[in-house]
Amino acid sequence: GAVVSQHPSWVICKSGTSVKIECRSLDFQATTMFWYRQFPKQSLMLMATSNEGSKATYEQGVEKDKFLINHASLTLSTLTVTSAHPEDSSFYICSARDLYSSYEQYFGPGTRLTVT
Amino acid sequence: DAKTTQPPSMDCAEGRAANLPCNHSTISGNEYVYWYRQIHSQGPQYIIHGLKNNETNEMASLIITEDRKSSTLILPHATLRDTAVYYCIVRTTGANSKLTFGKGITLSVRP
Repeated sequence: GAVVSQHPSWVICKSGTSVKIECRSLDFQATTMFWYRQFPKQSLMLMATSNEGSKATYEQGVEKDKFLINHASLTLSTLTVTSAHPEDSSFYICSARDLYSSYEQYFGPGTRLTVT
Repeated sequence: DAKTTQPPSMDCAEGRAANLPCNHSTISGNEYVYWYRQIHSQGPQYIIHGLKNNETNEMASLIITEDRKSSTLILPHATLRDTAVYYCIVRTTGANSKLTFGKGITLSVRP
């Protein structure tokens, strides 16, 4: 079945540094990928939608200069959290839409980011 | 996308059927009902989806009322590994559709 991977699965970084999270669709092509954020005991919140080869569309309230999204190929999207702060600590989950399967959406395992 | 309403939590005994309700009274004719679940500290897992007919797969059954204003996800023989948050979502399947998560229902399966 459709598999989405994320790397790393967890990361700890110091305040002020940047961290990059990769999202890959392993066995299908994804023209669209989504990035979600989830705080403890809360639901997933959509941050942005990225389409291959074009700029990402950010949800209201999400800072595009802080959360840089690149979707350079049909199987890879990256999220870079720039100048991270402790309040950016969260569970980041990507999702990829299968181009050839009625736009079904599959989720990665998530990346736990802790900013110290 | 239309919103959904789910109870915050429920529990059931291991081996018994778990029936998870969802209300979506403002669903549009071209919107599907999707169910995902999220086990603690993992990404959401697709379970099943349907438009108006009842659906069944190896994981669960989805019963949609005739007026499509509500649905029930049925896990026929719940196990401890089914303990998770279950999300009922309505969405179209077009290129511009998005999956928007509500609070979901926390299912606790007890031994």
